[in-house]
Amino acid sequence: QVTLKESGPGMLQPSKTLSLTCSFSGFSLSTSGMVVSWIRQPSGKSLEWLAAIDWDGDKYYNPSLKSRLTVSKDTSNTQVFLKITSVDTADTATYYCARRWELGYFDYWGQGVMVTVSS
Amino acid sequence: EIVLTQSPTTTAASPGEKVTITCLASSSVSNMYWYQQKSGASPKLLIYSTSSLASGVPDRFSGSGSGTSYSLTINTMEAEDAATYYCQQWSSNPPTFGGGTKLELK
Repeated sequence: QVTLKESGPGMLQPSKTLSLTCSFSGFSLSTSGMVVSWIRQPSGKSLEWLAAIDWDGDKYYNPSLKSRLTVSKDTSNTQVFLKITSVDTADTATYYCARRWELGYFDYWGQGVMVTVSS
Repeated sequence: EIVLTQSPTTTAASPGEKVTITCLASSSVSNMYWYQQKSGASPKLLIYSTSSLASGVPDRFSGSGSGTSYSLTINTMEAEDAATYYCQQWSSNPPTFGGGTKLELK
């Protein structure tokens, strides 16, 4: 059974660094073709893809946010991390991690973690 | 990046009614994917590779299209289909989503 679960601080102040963790089970990120992505959704708005890391450790970023994003994974291939630097109120959103395997769609999603940036 | 424009933005349908949602891409894509998102929940994959139903998805849902024009059709609306629907492409980086179509029960 594939599951993903995001965790994060809930709330943080502007200019700080947001650190998010995606913990997953039921699949291995070391499997060829496997990718874990981060996607966010401000309340009432659409979805925005942020970053991804694949089975080979290659990293991909949305060009619009690339300078502020860092995606990584742990050595046991059971967690993926995302850091966003210099957050502001526009980063307030629900953040999801999602699995992609070989083809271009996200077949499993986490429940999402809501992050509020406020002073 | 490829911009996906969905229409309509909002629509309502009565039980049994047919619903069609359109997704137009700013450049040609090879495949389109569709998701359903109910209030307070994560998106759920409905259609992959333009026209293939994801596991467990009722066959009243179907997808079609090519190039820059794609559509999602619900053949006979049911109450449980009230949700927001998103199209998505990953033919080129970055992957992008449409703005969403909110479907309400009339």
